[in-house]
Amino acid sequence: EVQLVESGGGLVQPGGSLRLSCAASGFTVGSNYMNWVRQAPGKGLEWVSVIYSGGSTYYADSVKGRFAISRDKSKNTLYLQMNSLRPEDTAVYYCGGLNPQQYWGQGTLVTVSS
Amino acid sequence: DIQMPQSPSSLSASVGDRVTITCRASQGISNHLAWYQQKPGKVPKLLIYAASTLQSGVPSRFSGSGSGTDFTLTISSLQPEDVATYYCQKYNSAPLTFGGGTKVEIK
Repeated sequence: EVQLVESGGGLVQPGGSLRLSCAASGFTVGSNYMNWVRQAPGKGLEWVSVIYSGGSTYYADSVKGRFAISRDKSKNTLYLQMNSLRPEDTAVYYCGGLNPQQYWGQGTLVTVSS
Repeated sequence: DIQMPQSPSSLSASVGDRVTITCRASQGISNHLAWYQQKPGKVPKLLIYAASTLQSGVPSRFSGSGSGTDFTLTISSLQPEDVATYYCQKYNSAPLTFGGGTKVEIK
């Protein structure tokens, strides 16, 4: 059974940083497309970033230059480094596997507020 | 970037009704279109990929069609458990844009 478990969310001040983690079991992070998708409170889904199996990375314009996706094959874990956070980054962040996203984590809440 | 407007943004229908949701890509995306269902308070779930292929375990009352720029999700006979928000997503190349969502309620 595939499980994706996010961690690292929390309350951060504007301009601050957070690193989200997504630990996978039953699924190999390094061999598959892995995504981050977010959902602001009461809003729709917003794709954030993808890392392809070959290592190429892409970002939504709203986070480009501020967020970085990466993976650790030895830990079978996906990461999202989030810098220069803004109030509009407040959302539940989901990690996911495959393209389209067949596997979803339960999400971790990031709140950017002073 | 390719935009993915969805319509309607919400709808209310009776149990047993046929429901249709539309997603229109601003440029052609072949059949690289997925549909997701998100029930209230739950994680999204992949329903359909490649525009018309049902994900394993999804009831056959759900179907998808289309290619190029125009896509449709159809629920042939709406059930109470289908109350959810439905999203389309293009996945041919980044950015992997979602549609704005369609909230489906029971009348």
